[in-house]
Amino acid sequence: QVQLVESGGGVVQPGGSLRLSCAASGFTFSSYGMHWVRQAPGKGLEWVAFIRYDGSNKYYADSVKGRFTISRDNSKNTLYLQMNSLRAEDTAVYYCAKDPSTVGAKRRSGLYYWGQGTLVTVSS
Amino acid sequence: AIQLTQSPSSLSASVGDRVTITCRASQGISSALAWYQQKPGKAPKLLIYDASSLESGVPSRFSGSGSGTDFTLTISSLQPEDFATYYCQQFNSYPLLMYTFGQGTKLEIK
Repeated sequence: QVQLVESGGGVVQPGGSLRLSCAASGFTFSSYGMHWVRQAPGKGLEWVAFIRYDGSNKYYADSVKGRFTISRDNSKNTLYLQMNSLRAEDTAVYYCAKDPSTVGAKRRSGLYYWGQGTLVTVSS
Repeated sequence: AIQLTQSPSSLSASVGDRVTITCRASQGISSALAWYQQKPGKAPKLLIYDASSLESGVPSRFSGSGSGTDFTLTISSLQPEDFATYYCQQFNSYPLLMYTFGQGTKLEIK
């Protein structure tokens, strides 16, 4: 069965950095794009970033562009989110999610598999 | 970037009611839209993909419709477990790939 397990959350000061990890299992990781989605306390969902199956293309929300970097290591079945220049408004639960479309298949919408989330708190 | 506007932002309804939530995109996105249900402290649950396809295991009282810019999620007969927050998300890749969410609709018991 598909499992996504995030780690790396914690408390960090404004301007600091943090790297989140998402360990994937139960599917061929190297065949699927992956997403990061976040949710600030009491707020709605915000899509953060997407990386294609082979890491060739990366896409970001305007709110994190230039500060966050999504990456992956297909040999370790792991997704990463490097977060730099953190701000109070980056405080959120960060989820990784598996893209529904595999390589070569017709593109479809909807994220079915999600991790449990990891909390990032940016505070002095 | 494409914006998604959900309405209403909150809704009070009773068990057995028929409920409709709308999601409007700032530009046409064909059928590249999904709907989710989220309960407190949990990850979102996918209900509908490609605007109108029911995800496996989701009760048939949930349905989605629409294409282009206007979409709806309908719950035909509310059950106690349906009280939650609902989000739409677009998966259009043009002109920019940004898979934005709507702001959410909180469905509460009347």
